Amino acid sequence: KQEVTQIPAALSVPEGENLVLNCSFTDSAIYNLQWFRQDPGKGLTSLLLIQSSQREQTSGRLNASLDKSSGRSTLYIAASQPGDSATYLCAVRSTGNQFYFGTGTSLTVIP
Amino acid sequence: GAGVSQSPSNKVTEKGKDVELRCDPISGHTALYWYRQSLGQGLEFLIYFQGNSAPDKSGLPSDRFSAERTGGSVSTLTIQRTQQEDSAVYLCASSLATGSPYEQYFGPGTRLTVT
Repeated sequence: KQEVTQIPAALSVPEGENLVLNCSFTDSAIYNLQWFRQDPGKGLTSLLLIQSSQREQTSGRLNASLDKSSGRSTLYIAASQPGDSATYLCAVRSTGNQFYFGTGTSLTVIP
Repeated sequence: GAGVSQSPSNKVTEKGKDVELRCDPISGHTALYWYRQSLGQGLEFLIYFQGNSAPDKSGLPSDRFSAERTGGSVSTLTIQRTQQEDSAVYLCASSLATGSPYEQYFGPGTRLTVT
């Protein structure tokens, strides 16, 4: 069974810093990987989707990379803002159309 | 357009009662997914539908859990004889199809508390 791990579990940074969130998965046979943010009491908002054939995706200040062979993905956030404070989740789509989620990284950006 | 909606947003029920949770996917989305998020835990996949069919029910925690989808749209997740360990946020997501390129879009969730 696919296992997804996110490190660190929590991160606190001052506003303006660049930061990297990590996601690792045990089975490299994936179809895609998706990064989400979750605000307290809210559902998940999709940030970036990387297909298995892709190496990275960019959206604004966000850049996600994928190294399928090593089972790793990173989410890079440039010039962090207080509004970026949320929990960030990565999800891997494996065979059988199931998505496996990590437990998330709780990010706090301090003004 | 409208996103995924779920109802109720909060549900408090007594142990042993049955509950029904509802999900309205984005119009035109053929794939629908149910997840459970327990306190301090990651999202746990429960079941997915392609149209009205559920090819994989292996994620349902026990036979007290069932789900159906009618008309390729609304889905209900039913929990019979609720237990305290069923307390969690139940999230629903939909996607255009089940193929690889398609992103999941999530609803706001239903917070279930079993007392």
